[in-house]
Amino acid sequence: DAMVIQNPRYQVTQFGKPVTLSCSQTLNHNVMYWYQQKSSQAPKLLFHYYDKDFNNEADTPDNFQSRRPNTSFCFLDIRSPGLGDAAMYLCATSRDRGRASEQYFGPGTRLTVT
Amino acid sequence: GDSVTQMEGPVTLSEEAFLTINCTYTATGYPSLFWYVQYPGEGLQLLLKATKADDKGSNKGFEATYRKETTSFHLEKGSVQVSDSAVYFCALLPTNFGNEKLTFGTGTRLTIIP
Repeated sequence: DAMVIQNPRYQVTQFGKPVTLSCSQTLNHNVMYWYQQKSSQAPKLLFHYYDKDFNNEADTPDNFQSRRPNTSFCFLDIRSPGLGDAAMYLCATSRDRGRASEQYFGPGTRLTVT
Repeated sequence: GDSVTQMEGPVTLSEEAFLTINCTYTATGYPSLFWYVQYPGEGLQLLLKATKADDKGSNKGFEATYRKETTSFHLEKGSVQVSDSAVYFCALLPTNFGNEKLTFGTGTRLTIIP
């Protein structure tokens, strides 16, 4: 089945130690998104790629970076994780832009910062 | 800006009860509307969608109708099951091309008791 895959499902990192989360997709979608979801809150968009074009949200901290080396993979890098960055990180994809382009989500990576 | 207002939770119902989760939105033009479901420890799954006024989205016994006149997209199910226990998010995608930012409601936690 075509799908959005996130690895690992659970990640523990130390305060200030860089960490990378991975997302891959077999849907061949043009757009990939990263969301942060804190406990009992709605997901918050960090940034997205339309093909190779990177689009950052205005309120995304500089501590968060992303890479998309090819269509299938997208990475979220947190350069110096703080305790406040502990959250579920969700990757999503959509076929294209536009109002009817529904987003498909992966299972998420739960990040713990110690 | 765009916003989604969802019924406050948590909601607890007995099995086979009728479910309504209210959702209203504020947006310019004709956004696309979605309901996502999130099971414990999982990512978001698209439950149903509607892209224009009077459209009815349906899936797995759930339904929601896009009401432009009341700016609403209420989720309903005639007979809930224990397996429907999850958090439900209403979301909109704006009309303007190139703005792929899903705006989510705060989520409604639903618990079904046998």
